[in-house]
Amino acid sequence: DTGVSQDPRHKITKRGQNVTFRCDPISEHNRLYWYRQTLGQGPEFLTYFQNEAQLEKSRLLSDRFSAERPKGSFSTLEIQRTEQGDSAMYLCASSLTGDSYEQYFGPGTRLTVT
Amino acid sequence: AQSVAQPEDQVNVAEGNPLTVKCTYSVSGNPYLFWYVQYPNRGLQFLLKYITGDNLVKGSYGFEAEFNKSQTSFHLKKPSALVSDSALYFCAVRDIGRLAFGKGNQVVVIP
Repeated sequence: DTGVSQDPRHKITKRGQNVTFRCDPISEHNRLYWYRQTLGQGPEFLTYFQNEAQLEKSRLLSDRFSAERPKGSFSTLEIQRTEQGDSAMYLCASSLTGDSYEQYFGPGTRLTVT
Repeated sequence: AQSVAQPEDQVNVAEGNPLTVKCTYSVSGNPYLFWYVQYPNRGLQFLLKYITGDNLVKGSYGFEAEFNKSQTSFHLKKPSALVSDSALYFCAVRDIGRLAFGKGNQVVVIP
């Protein structure tokens, strides 16, 4: 069990550019979640998948954000036309199906928009 | 919507003393409650959860938490704090798939 991995760990981009992050969940987990965390705050939910189906999207997720999990394994989160307000830590988590199961988090991708 | 509140920003405790980090919850129905810890520039690590059953839940690294339905609380405790316990602690509640987190408590254990 190698845990949840995320790539890249850090990303610096200029305002207006597009960025894409990748998350590889724990292999037997069929749920995958994306959260965003800013300094001094708890993680905020963005979206989650069960297998390849995207089951819920937060209202925080503007049209510039899109997430995919094409084969029910890894997932990508793309931000188009980045803004300075997008600067945050983007966390991925995975779990087994069922609300009683805990979510396991990756190390995060820190995005800085200049 | 389900939510949790962590009323304190920072908890300072001397090494070897008991540590308590407070969390209260607001839910409709039965709560699924979780505690996570975050070290600098790291993701969140799962500590423990309450789903049902015994009100005292034991978790990783010597931590435990007490579920109190009448006070709608789920406080995290450790009998004897270590300097290495200094970190950011988050309480969370399950809200139809997602986790809803509190703002976090910075714990500082003083040698």
